[in-house]
Amino acid sequence: SQQGEEDPQALSIQEGENATMNCSYKTSINNLQWYRQNSGRGLVHLILIRSNEREKHSGRLRVTLDTSKKSSSLLITASRAADTASYFCATDEYQAGTALIFGKGTTLSVSS
Amino acid sequence: DGGITQSPKYLFRKEGQNVTLSCEQNLNHDAMYWYRQDPGQGLRLIYYSQIVNDFQKGDIAEGYSVSREKKESFPLTVTSAQKNPTAFYLCASSTSAGEKLFFGSGTQLSVL
Repeated sequence: SQQGEEDPQALSIQEGENATMNCSYKTSINNLQWYRQNSGRGLVHLILIRSNEREKHSGRLRVTLDTSKKSSSLLITASRAADTASYFCATDEYQAGTALIFGKGTTLSVSS
Repeated sequence: DGGITQSPKYLFRKEGQNVTLSCEQNLNHDAMYWYRQDPGQGLRLIYYSQIVNDFQKGDIAEGYSVSREKKESFPLTVTSAQKNPTAFYLCASSTSAGEKLFFGSGTQLSVL
């Protein structure tokens, strides 16, 4: 079962620009999380937003959650070349409260 | 130095052979997970365990087996029944199901 779906699949920007990625999901959730993956590496947790929260910030990251639209967005401000990576959203299955289900990810390329 | 360790980093399987991927964590986490990642794709859940001596199948459990005899360890066996095993395998752990995941660095499995 694929819960989160990211959009766009790929994004190319210049250093200093903002990058916005979107995630849509299908069922009710307890929380939604964003992860980052550098090529050939494990995933790193970025931020977790709970279903009763609408916005959360962490450094240059801003995440919003709209449970009525079943969607979330991740904004990276003032992008750097080091932000080049794949970004995934993940959600829990509300009924079971079990393992996270991941989307296919957005590949971000930041050029200097 | 707390973390989650996967080994080996690269593994090759011959036809008809079972191979076992190791995953160890010293974070004192109750829950552990195995995900499979194919090129350009998201993560798909193979198996997860919320407590010692208990585990549940994920979306793609066929051809795989696991054990959870110790809290720290969650090995994954790729059996000969898995006809397309070439993929990047990621192990993760969390304090409880649905919470922030900590990932290992992954094992790339290829077929000879």
